Amino acid sequence: KQEVTQIPAALSVPEGENLVLNCSFTDSAIYNLQWFRQDPGKGLTSLLLIQSSQREQTSGRLNASLDKSSGRSTLYIAASQPGDSATYLCAVRGSGYSSASKIIFGSGTRLSIRP
Amino acid sequence: NAGVTQTPKFQVLKTGQSMTLQCAQDMNHEYMSWYRQDPGMGLRLIHYSVGAGITDQGEVPNGYNVSRSTTEDFPLRLLSAAPSQTSVYFCASSYPGRLNTEAFFGQGTRLTVV
Repeated sequence: KQEVTQIPAALSVPEGENLVLNCSFTDSAIYNLQWFRQDPGKGLTSLLLIQSSQREQTSGRLNASLDKSSGRSTLYIAASQPGDSATYLCAVRGSGYSSASKIIFGSGTRLSIRP
Repeated sequence: NAGVTQTPKFQVLKTGQSMTLQCAQDMNHEYMSWYRQDPGMGLRLIHYSVGAGITDQGEVPNGYNVSRSTTEDFPLRLLSAAPSQTSVYFCASSYPGRLNTEAFFGQGTRLTVV
């Protein structure tokens, strides 16, 4: 059974710092891993999708890496801004027969950027 | 192109009432799924479908029913609502996992059972 863990659960840093959010998963048989942002009371906004054959993806100040063999992904945010404050969720899509197509989420990291 | 549409956005039910949360997508996606999100937690998978006529259980299926008669629609039914089902519900859709495309989510339905 796939389990996805995100550490830390909450993080508070001053504006301008670079930071790393972590995501780990127990079953390496995945098609892809997706990072989402969720603002309070809102839906999910897709940030980055990394396919299982890829090592990283970049979008602006965001860089996500994937090490499938060790079951880990990181989301790197450069030069953080108060507008980055949100909850960040990672989700993995299984590729094994019994888990085909299921997308499993971690519990998220609540990020607060202090001005 | 509307994407994934969920209705209603908000709902209050009394214990024991039944209702259906609607989810529709216009992207011809085969895969659709329902999640619930409780305070301070991530999304937990309730049911999912890999195509019309095919559904399967996720992590927390008890108390919920689904059906998939068309590619576009994937309704979630609460047969007898309980306070423990108070949550925010999200519907998602995508192409099959093997195509390695992203999943799209609706804006959520906030359900309160009193």
